[in-house]
Amino acid sequence: KNQVEQSPQSLIILEGKNCTLQCNYTVSPFSNLRWYKQDTGRGPVSLTIMTFSENTKSNGRYTATLDADTKQSSLHITASQLSDSASYICARTALIFGKGTTLSVSS
Amino acid sequence: DAMVIQNPRYQVTQFGKPVTLSCSQTLNHNVMYWYQQKSSQAPKLLFHYYDKDFNNEADTPDNFQSRRPNTSFCFLDIRSPGLGDAAMYLCATSRDAGDYEQYFGPGTRLTVT
Repeated sequence: KNQVEQSPQSLIILEGKNCTLQCNYTVSPFSNLRWYKQDTGRGPVSLTIMTFSENTKSNGRYTATLDADTKQSSLHITASQLSDSASYICARTALIFGKGTTLSVSS
Repeated sequence: DAMVIQNPRYQVTQFGKPVTLSCSQTLNHNVMYWYQQKSSQAPKLLFHYYDKDFNNEADTPDNFQSRRPNTSFCFLDIRSPGLGDAAMYLCATSRDAGDYEQYFGPGTRLTVT
């Protein structure tokens, strides 16, 4: 069965610091991989969509990387802000979502 | 602004009492999805419509039904809610099937008493 595993489960960082969230997937064939931000009590909002031919994709302070050989993706957040506190979900297609990493940014 | 709208945002229903959740979209997208998301869990796809074609996931309980009367609207009907059906229900759309970007609504939080 296709799976998406995310780590860490939760993360606490200080405002202004950088962080990296991980996503491992097992799937064949690969189509695209998505990262979403989900604020508490809200629906997910798309951050990036990467095809298998893309290694990196940025959206403001968010940069996603993809290694199709190792089936790993990461989401790097630069200069974190309090508003970055949310759950970050990795997904492949509309069917397969990870459980997410809960990020807390404190001042 | 084009968007996905879900009503109500919060719904309380009694055990066994039918409930309907609503989703509308102004994006004119072909595909509409319904997800169930429980606390600290991944969204779980219940079913989706590609235009008028209904696609049910194999493990979606029969208690969950859906209707799409037109392109803009899609409804989730829970015929006899149980305590285990308490969750956030997310509606999403995409322009077409496959690998197109999804746009999610804000969700409806369902409580079953």
